[in-house]
Amino acid sequence: GAVVSQHPSRVICKSGTSVKIECRSLDFQATTMFWYRQFPKKSLMLMATSNEGSKATYEQGVEKDKFLINHASLTLSTLTVTSAHPEDSSFYICSAPVGGNYNEQFFGPGTRLTVL
Amino acid sequence: QKEVEQNSGPLSVPEGAIASLNCTYSDRVSQSFFWYRQYSGKSPELIMSIYSNGDKEDGRFTAQLNKASQYVSLLIRDSQPSDSATYLCAVNAGQNFVFGPGTRLSVLP
Repeated sequence: GAVVSQHPSRVICKSGTSVKIECRSLDFQATTMFWYRQFPKKSLMLMATSNEGSKATYEQGVEKDKFLINHASLTLSTLTVTSAHPEDSSFYICSAPVGGNYNEQFFGPGTRLTVL
Repeated sequence: QKEVEQNSGPLSVPEGAIASLNCTYSDRVSQSFFWYRQYSGKSPELIMSIYSNGDKEDGRFTAQLNKASQYVSLLIRDSQPSDSATYLCAVNAGQNFVFGPGTRLSVLP
């Protein structure tokens, strides 16, 4: 089946630094990818929709200048958490629909971000 | 605002029993419904998808959908300790999914 990878799987950083998370579709092309955030014991919350070749669409309450999204190719989207703070510590998960079928989405393994 | 509701649990069932997980959603025009299983520290994995009213069975899992009642459920037969996880109900809201808060299931040996 389709595979979505994320890198890194786990990152620890100091407050005020920036962290880049990569999401790759390994065996299919994805013009759209989705970024979710999950706090402990909470559900996945959509942060933004990443669109290849155009600007990302952010959900209400998500700061676009803090969470920079770049969808540079049909297989790669990156999420950069700028000036990270402890409250940004969370599990970040991306997903991508296969063949443009939004009912068939594959999730990446997630990235655990801890900001000290 | 589109909402998906689930009992947070934990739901505890003995090994071999049937586990019943429920979900309601607010957007009446929703057409696609999904159940995901998520182990602690891991990403969600798809268990079942259902698009039409009625039951859909896959092995030990049965999804049930009632669009009139805006209700979708998941039955797990012959529950195993390895089924212990959080089960997320998701509704397709166009392009992306809206997830429920999840129900934590514990299958006791």
